Amino acid sequence: GAGVSQSPRYKVAKRGQDVALRCDPISGHVSLFWYQQALGQGPEFLTYFQNEAQLDKSGLPSDRFFAERPEGSVSTLKIQRTQKEDSAVYLCASSSPWGTDTQYFGPGTRLTVL
Amino acid sequence: KNQVEQSPQSLIILEGKNCTLQCNYTVSPFSNLRWYKQDTGRGPVSLTIMTFSENTKSNGRYTATLDADTKQSSLHITASQLSDSASYICVVSPGGGSQGNLIFGKGTKLSVKP
Repeated sequence: GAGVSQSPRYKVAKRGQDVALRCDPISGHVSLFWYQQALGQGPEFLTYFQNEAQLDKSGLPSDRFFAERPEGSVSTLKIQRTQKEDSAVYLCASSSPWGTDTQYFGPGTRLTVL
Repeated sequence: KNQVEQSPQSLIILEGKNCTLQCNYTVSPFSNLRWYKQDTGRGPVSLTIMTFSENTKSNGRYTATLDADTKQSSLHITASQLSDSASYICVVSPGGGSQGNLIFGKGTKLSVKP
């Protein structure tokens, strides 16, 4: 596709439920990033893939958060046993792997945990 | 601690007027600084990116400046339009490590009124 797409755009979950958020990066982009953006805040880094390799997961807030990109294209961010504080917009971005190449962001998935 | 501070937090201007948004950072080492525009409900879109050696960069009515000595950047918007209403986010890449670990400011929310 022409840009980064994410699904679903909106997700409402009851506390304790598991959720899975999908990201389709720009075709050919080997780098993929996940960010969490709380209301009125800037995005905060969660994790980064280069192809299928997860090179940095230092931003994942707890072991309830898990991300994968098994074939080096589509990525899934999974949150287990969701908590209210997980409510946020989850942004995915992709870029070419080197230097100062710009990250292209998807529209985000707005997660609301009740 | 690596931080990016933006000011003002919010700004209201009349259509056609100019404005300047500020960004101060304490990120070290420094690789590059980017300004993103984020419309409500959308992912951020890159406006400019500057490396250590660049002092100014323009993108249409947007002009970004960078003073790497004082660790300050500004984004100047000329002849504002209603469509400029958005959050403007300053993002600094610390470099030297994970490409994904960008440091985001909280953004300046700009409202352009007719």
